[in-house]
Amino acid sequence: QQQVKQSPQSLIVQKGGISIINCAYENTAFDYFPWYQQFPGKGPALLIAIRPDVSEKKEGRFTISFNKSAKQFSLHIMDSQPGDSATYFCAAGRGGNNRKLIWGLGTSLAVNP
Amino acid sequence: GAVVSQHPSRVICKSGTSVKIECRSLDFQATTMFWYRQFPKKSLMLMATSNEGSKATYEQGVEKDKFLINHASLTLSTLTVTSAHPEDSSFYICSARGGFETQYFGPGTRLLVL
Repeated sequence: QQQVKQSPQSLIVQKGGISIINCAYENTAFDYFPWYQQFPGKGPALLIAIRPDVSEKKEGRFTISFNKSAKQFSLHIMDSQPGDSATYFCAAGRGGNNRKLIWGLGTSLAVNP
Repeated sequence: GAVVSQHPSRVICKSGTSVKIECRSLDFQATTMFWYRQFPKKSLMLMATSNEGSKATYEQGVEKDKFLINHASLTLSTLTVTSAHPEDSSFYICSARGGFETQYFGPGTRLLVL
């Protein structure tokens, strides 16, 4: 059973457009929601993360929107650039258990020039 | 800050041999390290969690005798793939967590078993 469901699986956006990736979770004990960016052949890199006491967090062109009642969170990439083309993973974690993360299946983003 | 290195970045070995992969946190002390496996165009699959000085906790379905993990210090964890076979070929990635919730990832190790 997939505890963190991520959509879409792939996304094509024009340069300058907004990329939106959605995630939904089931376990209300989750209290930490990071987004990672991964380029081919590289390890994932943390983009931005949010905790459930905040509904939105923005860092540069990247924004996380969090809806606690709906158990959903999303990543918005404003003014998408070809350099943003990568795979994006959402994850969820909770206290204890060494804070291991439960991962979404990933979204492959392609930004056309 | 929060840099994690892995060595080697790529390794090719013959079937039946053992391969050791090192994961180091360069600028922080890692309370917990995680080892992942990733297949092409797939998500990250957690293999095990290790704490310094303790035995690793393996995820269901991961053979602990096959994938030996040692977390000897707060900056170093090693994964040894014992008696490697072609089906063990994969991209192995470690991550490290200090006194915070963020996991910082290494660059990954590409293992090819012939």
